[in-house]
Amino acid sequence: EIVLTQSPATLSLSPGERAALSCRASQTVNNYLAWYQQKPGQAPRLLIYDTSNRATGIPARFSGWGSGTDFTLTISSLEPEDFAVYYCQQRSDWPITFGPGTRLDMK
Amino acid sequence: EMQLLESGGGLVQPGGSLRLSCAASGFTFSDVFMSWVRQAPGKGLEWVSCANFRDSSTYYGDSVKGRFTVSRDNSKNTFFLEMNSLRVEDTAIYFCAKGRGRTSSYELWGQGTLVSVSS
Repeated sequence: EIVLTQSPATLSLSPGERAALSCRASQTVNNYLAWYQQKPGQAPRLLIYDTSNRATGIPARFSGWGSGTDFTLTISSLEPEDFAVYYCQQRSDWPITFGPGTRLDMK
Repeated sequence: EMQLLESGGGLVQPGGSLRLSCAASGFTFSDVFMSWVRQAPGKGLEWVSCANFRDSSTYYGDSVKGRFTVSRDNSKNTFFLEMNSLRVEDTAIYFCAKGRGRTSSYELWGQGTLVSVSS
């Protein structure tokens, strides 16, 4: 199975700052990498699919990039509503796997 | 508007069975991948199962293979997860999720239903 590793585990930043979240795969995922945001008590929300495509309704401050085994989600200027847990997920091979998540905390 | 609504969660003893339902509206199953994803209390997301009803293929995570089965009722536009031989470690919120087209990038999620396995 493809193992996804996310770093850092926790990121503490202030509104207006730029966030960069990393996801590394144990083998290539052929750019079939997605990012989700989850807030407490809510279902996850798809942000980015296939490495760099924003899902419907996702603000332009969210962007994704990478290739092969290394991927990054960038939030250009943090808004108060962006503080949440972020997961990466690969759909390149079965079983589908998620990373352990990065918690983005407000400093 | 597309929506998913899960039901069927509850408290069950180890070794017991439960069937979860996911009622869909605003789209048809034949065109998309449908999945179940779970989240144990305070933990991350774990993919459970996926179904491609166009060709009847199904996929399962190793932790549930042989115990869980997915199915659908076209007349009710409902997706099911039949869970047998439940274990304490199956305790989680179970979400159903709709893929973008015939992919497993999940663009629509239900609100989740809690399954507790305990004696």
